[in-house]
Amino acid sequence: NAGVMQNPRHLVRRRGQEARLRCSPMKGHSHVYWYRQLPEEGLKFMVYLQKENIIDESGMPKERFSAEFPKEGPSILRIQQVVRGDSAAYFCASSRPGSGSYEQYFGPGTRLTVT
Amino acid sequence: GQQVMQIPQYQHVQEGEDFTTYCNSSTTLSNIQWYKQRPGGHPVFLIQLVKSGEVKKQKRLTFQFGEAKKNSSLHITATQTTDVGTYFCAAALGSGGSYIPTFGRGTSLIVHP
Repeated sequence: NAGVMQNPRHLVRRRGQEARLRCSPMKGHSHVYWYRQLPEEGLKFMVYLQKENIIDESGMPKERFSAEFPKEGPSILRIQQVVRGDSAAYFCASSRPGSGSYEQYFGPGTRLTVT
Repeated sequence: GQQVMQIPQYQHVQEGEDFTTYCNSSTTLSNIQWYKQRPGGHPVFLIQLVKSGEVKKQKRLTFQFGEAKKNSSLHITATQTTDVGTYFCAAALGSGGSYIPTFGRGTSLIVHP
């Protein structure tokens, strides 16, 4: 049973370019969370999605950031016109609501570096 | 805003010593989760606590949930170098229907052989 997949694992972008981060949840999981982590800091919630629906995007900046989880295919976190401050590790996690557990399964992360 | 406070931020121990990290909230929590993240790795779920005063053990790890459900702790007995990593607690602070966890800043454990 494959775990949560994220790609790319490392992404280098120049300022002003776009970054696309992909996440495939665990089999049977219909909900995806995106988090951002700066060095030596905790995980900051960005957005919570289910298939074709954004449940909560309160942690995501309103400008330049967007997320989707289409009916087919992975969840995408898109950052337009990247700036140096966007450099961070971005993790996605999947869960199975209704299971009685709030356990989240994390992917390996995408380390974004903006030069 | 509402936070989940975690202390200490760092802890250096000699191999074989014990280690404890604490997680505190100003609001009552419905449940709390603990995760471990190895250096360069991703968070891995360890345990979930739900009941007031709950204590759970996993080999050398002991997890507690306070009676008032506002604090929790993770204790490791006789640390080993494999315990190195950052330990995070996570809990939902809002009262909305969706589960949006707030993570503590984590406690980084450094074990000296």
